[in-house]
Amino acid sequence: SAVISQKPSRDICQRGTSLTIQCQVDSQVTMMFWYRQQPGQSLTLIATANQGSEATYESGFVIDKFPISRPNLTFSTLTVSNMSPEDSSIYLCSAARGQETQYFGPGTRLLVL
Amino acid sequence: GQQLNQSPQSMFIQEGEDVSMNCTSSSIFNTWLWYKQDPGEGPVLLIALYKAGELTSNGRLTAQFGITRKDSFLNISASIPSDVGIYFCAGPLGNAGNMLTFGGGTRLMVKP
Repeated sequence: SAVISQKPSRDICQRGTSLTIQCQVDSQVTMMFWYRQQPGQSLTLIATANQGSEATYESGFVIDKFPISRPNLTFSTLTVSNMSPEDSSIYLCSAARGQETQYFGPGTRLLVL
Repeated sequence: GQQLNQSPQSMFIQEGEDVSMNCTSSSIFNTWLWYKQDPGEGPVLLIALYKAGELTSNGRLTAQFGITRKDSFLNISASIPSDVGIYFCAGPLGNAGNMLTFGGGTRLMVKP
């Protein structure tokens, strides 16, 4: 398994601002992912964070709104840009090695006012 | 796209009762995963199933991979208050290996 931490654990932000969420894994992993979990809902995959290249986004998510970095095999960031109240969600990072199943971080709880 | 239909959406049971929830899909899955999410936490993997017909246990939890590869169920025996949380089924998104699609979740509440 992998131990995953996220910062910040929660934040309250004003609309129009941006927030960068950090995800740190305790060991090198092949794959890192970012999910969104809207209030009372299930998890939706935002994108796959690719090391050394641009992230791969799922339908409905774009790089301008959710820019992602992955500078190495243990770290990734997700930025939520130009936020609106509809962006209020839990943002979850996950990681996997090869074909192993995914392990999740504790999530970042975002409230946009 | 692939969708996982999970039922029931919520359950409110008495401590000690057994619980059963299931997940169905219109398409075939080669892997079924069951996660639990405690309040304020990220999902934690409970059981992974890789073979049609497979029945796997993890303590009081038992999960089965349906023969048709289009369904899976999770049973919890003799529920206790710490079983409270949201249970999600998940499976591979397309043929992309690691990427996952999740069911809508089953919210379990246990009355002591």
